[in-house]
Amino acid sequence: NAGVTQTPKFQVLKTGQSMTLQCAQDMNHEYMSWYRQDPGMGLRLIHYSVGAGITDQGEVPNGYNVSRSTTEDFPLRLLSAAPSQTSVYFCASRLKWTGSYREKLFFGSGTQLSVL
Amino acid sequence: TQLLEQSPQFLSIQEGENLTVYCNSSSVFSSLQWYRQEPGEGPVLLVTVVTGGEVKKLKRLTFQFGDARKDSSLHITAAQPGDTGLYLCAGGSNYKLTFGKGTLLTVNP
Repeated sequence: NAGVTQTPKFQVLKTGQSMTLQCAQDMNHEYMSWYRQDPGMGLRLIHYSVGAGITDQGEVPNGYNVSRSTTEDFPLRLLSAAPSQTSVYFCASRLKWTGSYREKLFFGSGTQLSVL
Repeated sequence: TQLLEQSPQFLSIQEGENLTVYCNSSSVFSSLQWYRQEPGEGPVLLVTVVTGGEVKKLKRLTFQFGDARKDSSLHITAAQPGDTGLYLCAGGSNYKLTFGKGTLLTVNP
């Protein structure tokens, strides 16, 4: 059971380039999300999805696009990378988003992105 | 946006010492979670506290949820080098889980 798989592990981009960070989970989780982690800022929610075909914005959505065509995959797209998007990106999933928020959030191992 | 303040930001102690880290908010949460993150990895859930005043123990780790459900603490007894890591608290509402900035703990042998 692989859990949450993120690719690539490391990426260097030039300003203005585009790329897609991949995230896949094999646990049949309905809820998936993307966070970025910056020194001194903690984990901040970028976008999330509560099921295939349903996405919504988090705290810091500008500059990022997402789509959810299948339950398993939730890619994060940077259309025109900027140095401010240099960060470590984490994908996370959970079975459902229940009213009591008790369920465990499973994280991938992260993608370290540098934009020059 | 609900904010979670964690303190201290950094903590360096010797093996065998006890420590407490704190997670505070001005908002009421239906539950709070604690995660530990090691370098190069994603956070891993340690515990979820739900009821005001609740105390949960996980081996040498003791988690407490405040009576008003606005704050939580994590106490580690006889810390070991394996406890080294970033400890994050998180609370959720409206489909969004908000994280504190974390306490970076270093336990020196």
